[in-house]
Amino acid sequence: AQRVTQPEKLLSVFKGAPVELKCNYSYSGSPELFWYVQYSRQRLQLLLRHISRESIKGFTADLNKGETSFHLKKPFAQEEDSAMYYCALSFYNTDKLIFGTGTRLQVFP
Amino acid sequence: GAGVSQSPSNKVTEKGKDVELRCDPISGHTALYWYRQSLGQGLEFLIYFQGNSAPDKSGLPSDRFSAERTGGSVSTLTIQRTQQEDSAVYLCASSSTHIPYFGPGTRLTVT
Repeated sequence: AQRVTQPEKLLSVFKGAPVELKCNYSYSGSPELFWYVQYSRQRLQLLLRHISRESIKGFTADLNKGETSFHLKKPFAQEEDSAMYYCALSFYNTDKLIFGTGTRLQVFP
Repeated sequence: GAGVSQSPSNKVTEKGKDVELRCDPISGHTALYWYRQSLGQGLEFLIYFQGNSAPDKSGLPSDRFSAERTGGSVSTLTIQRTQQEDSAVYLCASSSTHIPYFGPGTRLTVT
């Protein structure tokens, strides 16, 4: 069955430290992977998608098909990065999207 | 404001009552989704509409849950005989380019 796994419920780091939010997926087809972010009292919004291969707010994510992973990374965390992060998987040739359980990132000053 | 809107923003209801949650998608978006967001459960897929195709209802947790999308636009999620475990934030999203845009959600509290 298709599944997105985010093993960490909470990740706490100090400002300036590197951050890696883990995401693994299970899907037999060709996946499209996304990271969504939800800041406090704001709606869920797209952070980045793997096919864009871009860096947003200093975050990057590389799709590793061998390890079925799409980990989100940032070399130097900022306090404003504190938020809930969700990894998501889109099924080939559809818009259907399933999400992981999310990881709360706390960045301390 | 061209974003996805949802109403009401908050709903408190008594156990056993029926509730209707409304979603107004972005104009022209052919795909519409409902998700449930609760502590510890993340974002749970409920139902997905795409154009005139039959909806994907595979995520609806029980037959107390149903959804309609009228005229390819507005959608209503109905929960019958609400239970306390239905308490959550219900999120709607719409898309036209494989990227869903989310509404602010409806917080449902069942007492």
